[in-house]
Amino acid sequence: QKEVEQNSGPLSVPEGAIASLNCTYSDRGSQSFFWYRQYSGKSPELIMFIYSNGDKEDGRFTAQLNKASQYVSLLIRDSQPSDSATYLCAVTSSNTGKLIFGQGTTLQVKP
Amino acid sequence: DARVTQTPRDKVTEMGQEVTMRCQPILGHNTVFWYRQTMMQGLELLAYFRNRAPLDDSGMPKDRFSAEMPDATLATLKIQPSEPRDSAVYFCASGGPTDTQYFGPGTRLTVL
Repeated sequence: QKEVEQNSGPLSVPEGAIASLNCTYSDRGSQSFFWYRQYSGKSPELIMFIYSNGDKEDGRFTAQLNKASQYVSLLIRDSQPSDSATYLCAVTSSNTGKLIFGQGTTLQVKP
Repeated sequence: DARVTQTPRDKVTEMGQEVTMRCQPILGHNTVFWYRQTMMQGLELLAYFRNRAPLDDSGMPKDRFSAEMPDATLATLKIQPSEPRDSAVYFCASGGPTDTQYFGPGTRLTVL
């Protein structure tokens, strides 16, 4: 079992729709969770972090964390073609403190 | 404008040559990470430093890779000798007091 799992996609949504990106993790002791966006040929860009169970909203982005289910998600409301990118979920290892990345989900927003 | 800088942005070299990549972390950040990204493996952590001290380099092939942080404004990753399988994008990331990490633009390395 991978430490951080994401569906590689592509996830295709029409412009204006809600995109839902999901991530599961295996380390029950993890405390910090991050979402990065990576455009093709660019570096990962931090867009959200969440530490507590529940929802955290920032503009069109909402991160959701459920530690009991070991599940973290990212919702993008009113999706735009400019949101088309790969979204990387990252989780801090409770053993080492290192950030463990998933393989990423490719999102395509179609005009 | 606080950001991580990396040089060079692109490097093409021949097998067996030495490659040195440099990173300037965000001023005030005390943790520096080196990652490698390939299509097959995704993002892999190679090494990281806190307050300039190496904390973990278990992700690096020890025989050819070395990482140092000679001062708070410079981290280096060296490959000697380079091999075609080292071709990848190498990212440096800078971390502050929380667990958040901010990535530099990367060095795209091609070893022929």
